[in-house]
Amino acid sequence: KAGVTQTPRYLIKTRGQQVTLSCSPISGHRSVSWYQQTPGQGLQFLFEYFSETQRNKGNFPGRFSGRQFSNSRSEMNVSTLELGDSALYLCASSFLTGYMNTEAFFGQGTRLTVV
Amino acid sequence: DQQVKQNSPSLSVQEGRISILNCDYTNSMFDYFLWYKKYPAEGPTFLISISSIKDKNEDGRFTVFLNKSAKHLSLHIVPSQPGDSAVYFCAASANAGNNRKLIWGLGTSLAVNP
Repeated sequence: KAGVTQTPRYLIKTRGQQVTLSCSPISGHRSVSWYQQTPGQGLQFLFEYFSETQRNKGNFPGRFSGRQFSNSRSEMNVSTLELGDSALYLCASSFLTGYMNTEAFFGQGTRLTVV
Repeated sequence: DQQVKQNSPSLSVQEGRISILNCDYTNSMFDYFLWYKKYPAEGPTFLISISSIKDKNEDGRFTVFLNKSAKHLSLHIVPSQPGDSAVYFCAASANAGNNRKLIWGLGTSLAVNP
């Protein structure tokens, strides 16, 4: 069974640009969550999508947005990039949402560097 | 405001000894707790979990203990091996209607020395 796939693995962008990251969940998983990991802040929850609907949202500005397609693949978009957006962006998929079994399977992440 | 706190950023232990990683939480509504392990340049991988109806869960060398009155959980690794060297994240979740999301600690970097 293929794992969670995130593309691209590495990305360098300049301030003010926008970026789109992609995540393909494990086959059969309908819940996709996005996280930002920075050395000082740990894993910060961005949002979760389930069946193409945003179910949960973290405390990030509106520059961060996402969507999920009918095949459960998800994209995350960051507009007007700032230097502080440099981080490892992780995607996690799980089979169910809203239940006890919230075990999530993570992709390898996309390392975004904003210069 | 960190609802899940891992107060030790790093821990170093000798191979063969016990590693104890601690996690404190503030939200009494949390009813499910998980530990994840993360190697550099990889996503976190699930290690072990415990629900609030239990106080202990064991899986091989890994045991998680939950003390609800103290709002504290700990992960014990016995015996520790060099391959256990990684960042360990504690996460907690609560049922909010039909939605759950994981709240994460900042992680503890474990170094197991040969």
